[in-house]
Amino acid sequence: SQTIHQWPATLVQPVGSPLSLECTVEGTSNPNLYWYRQAAGRGLQLLFYSVGIGQISSEVPQNLSASRPQDRQFILSSKKLLLSDSGFYLCAWRGQGASNQPQHFGDGTRLSIL
Amino acid sequence: RKEVEQDPGPFNVPEGATVAFNCTYSNSASQSFFWYRQDCRKEPKLLMSVYSSGNEDGRFTAQLNRASQYISLLIRDSKLSDSATYLCVVIPSYNFNKFYFGSGTKLNVKP
Repeated sequence: SQTIHQWPATLVQPVGSPLSLECTVEGTSNPNLYWYRQAAGRGLQLLFYSVGIGQISSEVPQNLSASRPQDRQFILSSKKLLLSDSGFYLCAWRGQGASNQPQHFGDGTRLSIL
Repeated sequence: RKEVEQDPGPFNVPEGATVAFNCTYSNSASQSFFWYRQDCRKEPKLLMSVYSSGNEDGRFTAQLNRASQYISLLIRDSKLSDSATYLCVVIPSYNFNKFYFGSGTKLNVKP
């Protein structure tokens, strides 16, 4: 069966520091991968998605970037964190193909910027 | 206008009650629909897909009304463990990777 791993679970970083969050999927090949952010009490905002190695689609202009160096690895990065980058970051995967396939989420990373 | 809108609630119901949530969407070309459940400070988990003819999974029934552009979730015989936030999701036909999530409806089931 497919599993998705995301780490770390929580992170406290100072303003201006770099960020790297990693997500890996097991048990499937060539998944579509996604990064979301959820602010406290708000809905999920799609940040990036990837349909293949090296292919990144950015949904909103921001202080973050994403990379997919391997088929089942998706990385979210920032060179300099802002206070507004605080939130709950979620990685998700979905199989290729039909539109009626749902997304499946990792446990999330709770990021606090001080 | 938001792609997907939900009543944030909270809906406070006693155990055993039947409760229903609606979710409206703005894009008439939307292709696929889901309901997710999110517990406090946890990741969303798929509850069920929503099919055009309506579908049921145990105590949960999902319906789609394309003419009025809304989906609904009905929970029968509510349990304490049903307390959570319920997110509706809409996928447009022009991009299967753009899942539009509602902000969620909070349900509190009381003893």
